[in-house]
Amino acid sequence: GQNIDQPTEMTATEGAIVQINCTYQTSGFNGLFWYQQHAGEAPTFLSYNVLDGLEEKGRFSSFLSRSKGYSYLLLKELQMKDSASYLCAVRDGDYKLSFGAGTTVTVRA
Amino acid sequence: GAVVSQHPSWVICKSGTSVKIECRSLDFQATTMFWYRQFPKQSLMLMATSNEGSKATYEQGVEKDKFLINHASLTLSTLTVTSAHPEDSSFYICSSYRGDTEAFFGQGTRLTVV
Repeated sequence: GQNIDQPTEMTATEGAIVQINCTYQTSGFNGLFWYQQHAGEAPTFLSYNVLDGLEEKGRFSSFLSRSKGYSYLLLKELQMKDSASYLCAVRDGDYKLSFGAGTTVTVRA
Repeated sequence: GAVVSQHPSWVICKSGTSVKIECRSLDFQATTMFWYRQFPKQSLMLMATSNEGSKATYEQGVEKDKFLINHASLTLSTLTVTSAHPEDSSFYICSSYRGDTEAFFGQGTRLTVV
């Protein structure tokens, strides 16, 4: 099975940077995903890491260390619309995704 | 635009009735469709995996006779919640891969059983 941990809540100011950490213990690893989810809506894809290192995509970056079972999502130049839940998900060899409980990010003006 | 279309977006039904949720892949063939459930303030939990032309595989604790899954074509998978009860009220979401890394989700279906 999968055990995925991420903080429950984070608060930051508009324009700031926030880093959401995710640690995982898995029985099989075939990639790590980050999703954004607004209340009542389906998740939207943010990033995918399968090799160690940093993937940058605009204001969002994601890092993976497979040996440490660790990833983070970095959100830069925070905007009010970034207030949402951020889900860390690990994929196994059967392409099934196991999700963390999600981190609710609140951006303040 | 959406590449996985899920309907209905929301449904209210009476206890004891059945509800069918459809997920269609719009511009790719979805050999496999994953069905998730999300209770309020909780994360997504995988319920079952459907494969076109074969029986679905269910996760531990999910009743296969209650949650009927049909994947009759490469573009359509359906989840039927049979004899729904209030505890089945949840947000149901389907997902499929286009290629190896692009996992797309449907819009989700909010089911309320009264």
